[in-house]
Amino acid sequence: QKEVEQDPGPLSVPEGAIVSLNCTYSNSAFQYFMWYRQYSRKGPELLMYTYSSGNKEDGRFTAQVDKSSKYISLFIRDSQPSDSATYLCAMKGSGGSNYKLTFGKGTLLTVNP
Amino acid sequence: GAVVSQHPSRVICKSGTSVKIECRSLDFQATTMFWYRQFPKKSLMLMATSNEGSKATYEQGVEKDKFLINHASLTLSTLTVTSAHPEDSSFYICSAQQGNPYEQYFGPGTRLTVT
Repeated sequence: QKEVEQDPGPLSVPEGAIVSLNCTYSNSAFQYFMWYRQYSRKGPELLMYTYSSGNKEDGRFTAQVDKSSKYISLFIRDSQPSDSATYLCAMKGSGGSNYKLTFGKGTLLTVNP
Repeated sequence: GAVVSQHPSRVICKSGTSVKIECRSLDFQATTMFWYRQFPKKSLMLMATSNEGSKATYEQGVEKDKFLINHASLTLSTLTVTSAHPEDSSFYICSAQQGNPYEQYFGPGTRLTVT
């Protein structure tokens, strides 16, 4: 079983739709959870981060972490064509050798005008 | 703020030559820098972690004599691919971390093609 599982998609939605992106993980030591957006042939851009369980909202984006289920989500409201990109979840433990980010494979999202 | 640059953005080299890629944190001092490799439609694979002034820590399976990493200052890390071969062709991305474990900022990547 891979440490982080993410459906690669592709996911295609109409403009204005609510998008739900998800990752599951197996390592209970993960404490920090991040979502990155990566446009084609560019480096990943940090979108949101969350520590431990809970929700975090930033504009049209909401990140949720459920540590009991080892499941994290990113919701995008009122999706725009400019949101079309690959979304990568990433997570890490705290301290010691747990400093490394473990990434999901990424979900390719296309928002159609 | 939190801008990381990479140079060059794209490089084509002949098999057997060496290529150096620079990673710079432009507006902050990076205590730790990371080097990743990304294949098409695949996620990022961590190659090595470097801290300023100390030797890099390489991930299992990454040849340290082939992928030389130097972290000479708090704003600059370099990755040198020695004796490059076509199988080294890939997208190489660096990232820099200031101290906050949340915040790892990525460079724009370098596309290496070895002919």
